[in-house]
Amino acid sequence: TQLLEQSPQFLSIQEGENLTVYCNSSSVFSSLQWYRQEPGEGPVLLVTVVTGGEVKKLKRLTFQFGDARKDSSLHITAAQPGDTGLYLCAGASAPAGGTSYGKLTFGQGTILTVHP
Amino acid sequence: NAGVTQTPKFRVLKTGQSMTLLCAQDMNHEYMYWYRQDPGMGLRLIHYSVGEGTTAKGEVPDGYNVSRLKKQNFLLGLESAAPSQTSVYFCASSSAGLYRWSYEQYFGPGTRLTVT
Repeated sequence: TQLLEQSPQFLSIQEGENLTVYCNSSSVFSSLQWYRQEPGEGPVLLVTVVTGGEVKKLKRLTFQFGDARKDSSLHITAAQPGDTGLYLCAGASAPAGGTSYGKLTFGQGTILTVHP
Repeated sequence: NAGVTQTPKFRVLKTGQSMTLLCAQDMNHEYMYWYRQDPGMGLRLIHYSVGEGTTAKGEVPDGYNVSRLKKQNFLLGLESAAPSQTSVYFCASSSAGLYRWSYEQYFGPGTRLTVT
């Protein structure tokens, strides 16, 4: 069974601070995604990383995929109250005997609160 | 495009009652999923489908049944509701992904179910 461990589980910071969320596993993934979920809504895809060592930037958000494709991080620079939400990482695996076909493994999420 | 829609948005059931949750997608996606989300537990996969007429068990399938008679619809049934099934239920759909086997998922707005 593949597991993704996210840390920290909760993060409460002031506007303007920087933060990093981590997503770790002992398994190799073919790609890893980050989603953001606001209260009362479904998760929304932010980014997919597919190559070991890859770095992608989305405005103030920087996503990195580990060299071995077992871990990822999300760094937010100068956080704003609008960044508040639940951040989820999810790993995908190439089909292997049908056991992982079409499924994602989700981390348990990081609840971020940014205070004005 | 409406994306992924879920019906109903809210429901209260008494223990032992049955109900069906409907998910519809208009993106011609092959894969569809049902998750439940509980505080501190992230997203847990209940059942999923890799194509019309096919279904498979996820992480927490007990007490639920599903059907995918049409490509665009995925139904989740609770035959005899229990208080432990109080949760927020999300439907999602995906293609094989933006990258090979990445399965980026598009989520519906969720159904909040309370079983008393």
